[in-house]
Amino acid sequence: SAVISQKPSRDICQRGTSLTIQCQVDSQVTMMFWYRQQPGQSLTLIATANQGSEATYESGFVIDKFPISRPNLTFSTLTVSNMSPEDSSIYLCSVEDTGRGDYGYTFGSGTRLTVV
Amino acid sequence: DQQVKQNSPSLSVQEGRISILNCDYTNSMFDYFLWYKKYPAEGPTFLISISSIKDKNEDGRFTVFLNKSAKHLSLHIVPSQPGDSAVYFCAAVFGNQFYFGTGTSLTVIP
Repeated sequence: SAVISQKPSRDICQRGTSLTIQCQVDSQVTMMFWYRQQPGQSLTLIATANQGSEATYESGFVIDKFPISRPNLTFSTLTVSNMSPEDSSIYLCSVEDTGRGDYGYTFGSGTRLTVV
Repeated sequence: DQQVKQNSPSLSVQEGRISILNCDYTNSMFDYFLWYKKYPAEGPTFLISISSIKDKNEDGRFTVFLNKSAKHLSLHIVPSQPGDSAVYFCAAVFGNQFYFGTGTSLTVIP
């Protein structure tokens, strides 16, 4: 299975600031996915990041708030911009484990963000 | 609109007994279903999956059952072990879109 290194694991940030979350995969992957899990809620897809093209955002998420970079096939970043307390969540990146062929997506360990 | 629902936020089971985690969905177009396990401070880990053309898939102590007519999915863990204590998410797939439930926190009591 793919191994994902996600950083930082947690952070406490002041409102109005921005935080960039990084995900490094140990193999080349076409698509990387960014999710958010707000307290007591299910995982929600923020956007899909393809290398060499702009990320595709889901309804309710916009590039200005969650800019994503995908400079190569093993790395991606998600920035949470102009943060407010409502952005306090766990953020996860994910990749498809194509070697298994059964929709077994692998997730990073998550970034627990608290905005004060 | 929550298309995948896990109506039990928590479940406690004695060690050695069966744990049954349930999941309901609304969209009959879902063609794949998965269960993920999540420990605190870690990302979800893939556990087991089932295609919509099957009604059962087994992997060791874990069995997933799919009842398409009832739009119901369940995960059976037999026998339950203390290390199984975690939050379990079910997910349904249509195309490349995943829909997750809100999770069920399982506690296995030694």
